[in-house]
Amino acid sequence: SQQGEEDPQALSIQEGENATMNCSYKTSINNLQWYRQNSGRGLVHLILIRSNEREKHSGRLRVTLDTSKKSSSLLITASRAADTASYFCATDNSSNTGKLIFGQGTTLQVKP
Amino acid sequence: DADVTQTPRNRITKTGKRIMLECSQTKGHDRMYWYRQDPGLGLRLIYYSFDVKDINKGEISDGYSVSRQAQAKFSLSLESAIPNQTALYFCATSDLAGEGRWTQYFGPGTRLLVL
Repeated sequence: SQQGEEDPQALSIQEGENATMNCSYKTSINNLQWYRQNSGRGLVHLILIRSNEREKHSGRLRVTLDTSKKSSSLLITASRAADTASYFCATDNSSNTGKLIFGQGTTLQVKP
Repeated sequence: DADVTQTPRNRITKTGKRIMLECSQTKGHDRMYWYRQDPGLGLRLIYYSFDVKDINKGEISDGYSVSRQAQAKFSLSLESAIPNQTALYFCATSDLAGEGRWTQYFGPGTRLLVL
């Protein structure tokens, strides 16, 4: 069973626009992470937000977390063609196992 | 991440064959994981290992086995491959303690086709 569900499944925008992806999860978590996957490649960690944090920034990335709604969003500002990839949220809901449960991902296409 | 390597990168096999996918890492991490990725389903955990003597089943371990030969090596075997095991397989690692224990580092993946 998947912990995270992401919305939308696919997103197409023009270069320079902002992209927002959402993730919902079912159980309590220790932290939530976002990963990026270029086509057919391995996932790359982008950002982690802890359960006691509400917002976090890293460069053009902004992540929010609402534990009352069990949801998170990833905002990519001023998108570039190189941002074209799939983005996955992953939740850690165990005490110290490091196990992550991934959502099914949002495929982002940024048109030049 | 070049510190996590997987071999082979692509493999075609036939139903009933036993195959092994290998993963090596130079990150010095204790924890290693095997996932499979199917279109539209994200990643699902097959097995994970916290050290050489600690191996645990994940969400979808049936039909798979693993071996942790050393801290740096974690192999996944398909005992008798079947077509619905056709997928993209990823190995990942993470640290045992400290802030880095929450982040996983992925290999480039092995694309497996079972005919």
